[in-house]
Amino acid sequence: DGGITQSPKYLFRKEGQNVTLSCEQNLNHDAMYWYRQDPGQGLRLIYYSQIVNDFQKGDIAEGYSVSREKKESFPLTVTSAQKNPTAFYLCASRVGTVQNIQYFGAGTRLSVL
Amino acid sequence: DQQVKQNSPSLSVQEGRISILNCDYTNSMFDYFLWYKKYPAEGPTFLISISSIKDKNEDGRFTVFLNKSAKHLSLHIVPSQPGDSAVYFCAASARYGGSQGNLIFGKGTKLSVKP
Repeated sequence: DGGITQSPKYLFRKEGQNVTLSCEQNLNHDAMYWYRQDPGQGLRLIYYSQIVNDFQKGDIAEGYSVSREKKESFPLTVTSAQKNPTAFYLCASRVGTVQNIQYFGAGTRLSVL
Repeated sequence: DQQVKQNSPSLSVQEGRISILNCDYTNSMFDYFLWYKKYPAEGPTFLISISSIKDKNEDGRFTVFLNKSAKHLSLHIVPSQPGDSAVYFCAASARYGGSQGNLIFGKGTKLSVKP
């Protein structure tokens, strides 16, 4: 089955700890994205990557880091510098630039202990 | 400043009736618009899209209308079913502009369809 897999589904972070959220896709998509959703808010873009070994900051990149070493994988690290990390995190990939549709994973709920 | 606005946080309709969800945008460079449906604790699911060269796109019970002069689009669901109860996000992109086609999302409208 083709799709986007995010893990874990739930994650807890202690104060001062870095945590990494996994996102894997087997759709052969070039572009991948990370969003954050807070209650009553839309999706806000954290980081995106149009191609392997390249990525750009989105609107709320502070306190986060990413890597794109493989086409299939785009992990997101929530660092201790992110003071309000509790949110629902969504990973997406895009099928192309003309038909600009992004497909999403099931999300990871991050909470602070 | 919000470039994509969904001014109704919630909407309640009776099963079998029409649901109309609205979305306004401010950036005239937007040329592709999408609607996503989202259940709690799940990722958004792509529903339907429309290019700025069209004013209507239909897919089964779902129709999206685009009024470029008013910078307004709407999603019509006919007939509404209880399973349509979810949060609906409007998104827009400027595919050929400097934003690299990134999607800008509205804050969503929570639709409740009552049996």
